[in-house]
Amino acid sequence: GESVGLHLPTLSVQEGDNSIINCAYSNSASDYFIWYKQESGKGPQFIIDIRSNMDKRQGQRVTVLLNKTVKHLSLQIAATQPGDSAVYFCAENMQGGKLIFGQGTELSVKP
Amino acid sequence: EAQVTQNPRYLITVTGKKLTVTCSQNMNHEYMSWYRQDPGLGLRQIYYSMNVEVTDKGDVPEGYKVSRKEKRNFPLILESPSPNQTSLYFCASNSIGDREIFGPGTRLTVT
Repeated sequence: GESVGLHLPTLSVQEGDNSIINCAYSNSASDYFIWYKQESGKGPQFIIDIRSNMDKRQGQRVTVLLNKTVKHLSLQIAATQPGDSAVYFCAENMQGGKLIFGQGTELSVKP
Repeated sequence: EAQVTQNPRYLITVTGKKLTVTCSQNMNHEYMSWYRQDPGLGLRQIYYSMNVEVTDKGDVPEGYKVSRKEKRNFPLILESPSPNQTSLYFCASNSIGDREIFGPGTRLTVT
C-alpha cells in the first residue's frame, strides 16, 4: 500500500547547527506535502508545505526540498534552536484530501 | 482566531460507558478528520468527512462513530469504550487540497 515514512526516528543536533529531517513517500500521484511540528502535549503545528510542481520552498529558517524522481522530501532547519526540539512529521496529501503521516522524527537540540 | 477546538481535553472513563468528544472549527472548512496518536504508531486516521452528511472510514475506524450534521462540528462517539481506545485524539480540518489545522488534542483513558 501507499506509505509515507521517515528515515531516522531520532536526531540530535547542537544548538546553532543546521538540521535535516528526511522523508520518503511512495505515492507518485500525490501532489501536496506538508511538514508539521509537534511539541510535547500539543497538536501538530503546520511548518511549511510544498506542491509537486516545485522542488524547493523556503520559509523563515526552514526549507523544504522535494525530489520527485526518488520520492524524497526533506526539511532543513537553519541555526537550530532549543525551541525547535519537537517531533517532526511529514504528511502526504492524496487526492480527496486524505492525509497520510510518517511516523515522526524526534529532534533534540543540545545547548 | 481561526482554530479547531476539542472538548474535553482530558477524560478518564470506564469500559462500556458511552462518551462523545466534540470538535468544532470556525474556518468554514469542508474537510474534517479524527486521528488517534499512540507511541510508536504515529497519527492514524479514524474517520473523515468531506462535507456535511458525508463521512468515511479512515485507517482505524473500529469502535468509533462520527456524525457531520453541521459543517463546523464533527463529534467522535465511542459507544462502548474499551481500554485499547486509551489514546491521544486529534481533530483536524482543512479546505480540500490545503493543509490541515489540528485541535489541541483530547487525552482519553479507559479503565
